[in-house]
Amino acid sequence: NAGVTQTPKFQVLKTGQSMTLQCAQDMNHEYMSWYRQDPGMGLRLIHYSVGAGITDQGEVPNGYNVSRSTTEDFPLRLLSAAPSQTSVYFCASTLDRGTYNEQFFGPGTRLTVL
Amino acid sequence: QQQVKQSPQSLIVQKGGISIINCAYENTAFDYFPWYQQFPGKGPALLIAIRPDVSEKKEGRFTISFNKSAKQFSLHIMDSQPGDSATYFCAASSGSNYGGSQGNLIFGKGTKLSVKP
Repeated sequence: NAGVTQTPKFQVLKTGQSMTLQCAQDMNHEYMSWYRQDPGMGLRLIHYSVGAGITDQGEVPNGYNVSRSTTEDFPLRLLSAAPSQTSVYFCASTLDRGTYNEQFFGPGTRLTVL
Repeated sequence: QQQVKQSPQSLIVQKGGISIINCAYENTAFDYFPWYQQFPGKGPALLIAIRPDVSEKKEGRFTISFNKSAKQFSLHIMDSQPGDSATYFCAASSGSNYGGSQGNLIFGKGTKLSVKP
């Protein structure tokens, strides 16, 4: 199993540009999520999905869209990039939203918005 | 409102020493408390986790101590090694559907641990 994969690893955008961060998992996990990591801020939940066709907002959803058309994929879209969205983005997945399930993280995408 | 408070922000320990990282939470609905370890350039990975029905869990050199009444939990790394140098995050989640957030992990801000040889 490849686990959780993310592409690209690095990306530089100009203010106002849009892009999609890709995330895929091959563990047949129902629950997937996106976090952003900023220095001194820990990991903050952007959006999450409890299954195909179901998404919901996390702590910091503004400026981001998600969709979940398949169990495997959970892309994150930046609609109009802003410098405040410069961050490292992590996708994670777990079996379901039940308690005690380990969340598996991808390797991250480092995004810089100029 | 920060729901999980982690301290210290950074920690320097000599090889062979004990590293201690503390976390405090506010929401009594939390019932799962994992610790994640993150090396530079990598994603976080689960290190050890505890449920509130026990006061301590040990896995090798890593121990979680849990104090339900004080709403605090801590990670102890015994015989710390240079290879333990990483950023550690505590987290919490609830199995009950409080605010529709069942299963969502709330992370502390992280502790950067450096173990000196």
